Amino acid sequence: DADVTQTPRNRITKTGKRIMLECSQTKGHDRMYWYRQDPGLGLRLIYYSFDVKDINKGEISDGYSVSRQAQAKFSLSLESAIPNQTALYFCATSDAGTSGSYEQYFGPGTRLTVT
Amino acid sequence: SQQGEEDPQALSIQEGENATMNCSYKTSINNLQWYRQNSGRGLVHLILIRSNEREKHSGRLRVTLDTSKKSSSLLITASRAADTASYFCATDAVDMRFGAGTRLTVKP
Repeated sequence: DADVTQTPRNRITKTGKRIMLECSQTKGHDRMYWYRQDPGLGLRLIYYSFDVKDINKGEISDGYSVSRQAQAKFSLSLESAIPNQTALYFCATSDAGTSGSYEQYFGPGTRLTVT
Repeated sequence: SQQGEEDPQALSIQEGENATMNCSYKTSINNLQWYRQNSGRGLVHLILIRSNEREKHSGRLRVTLDTSKKSSSLLITASRAADTASYFCATDAVDMRFGAGTRLTVKP
């Protein structure tokens, strides 16, 4: 079984709809992240969480919200989807590690299309 | 932003050749990581180099780090068609920042 899972894998929704993307991990990591990737571009950080009670905005948090329901679960919501939120969304996890290693483990991605 | 920037944006080589891609960044770092992304899939961690290291090897991968120039390079030796992917560097911060990547194509 995959260590980091994302649901749904593909979603088409209409402008103005609320949508939630879910991420679960079995790696036991404290840190979780949401990124978006647009065609031909790198990843941009939306939100990150270092533990259940910690939520931080990333580069592009406007239009998004998150919920850390448990150590293993981190959800991303688009309150009112708009077409320029069409992108590939990735969840990732990492631990801090005593050696300061922040290697991230990525989920398979959710392809979201807003029409 | 501590975002890494990869160069070149795209690289096309023949199987068996070496591929070199570079990464520049703007601020001090504790470590720098390289990731690979096959088309449309999640990123996979390749290698991490710490700020007090100058070179690191992992199989056919060789990474160098020059903190005075704020740059890193990733060398893939004896490339294979399966190495075709996008490669990203990421610099550590409280949050990690990724560059736009180098798209590597290895022709059989």
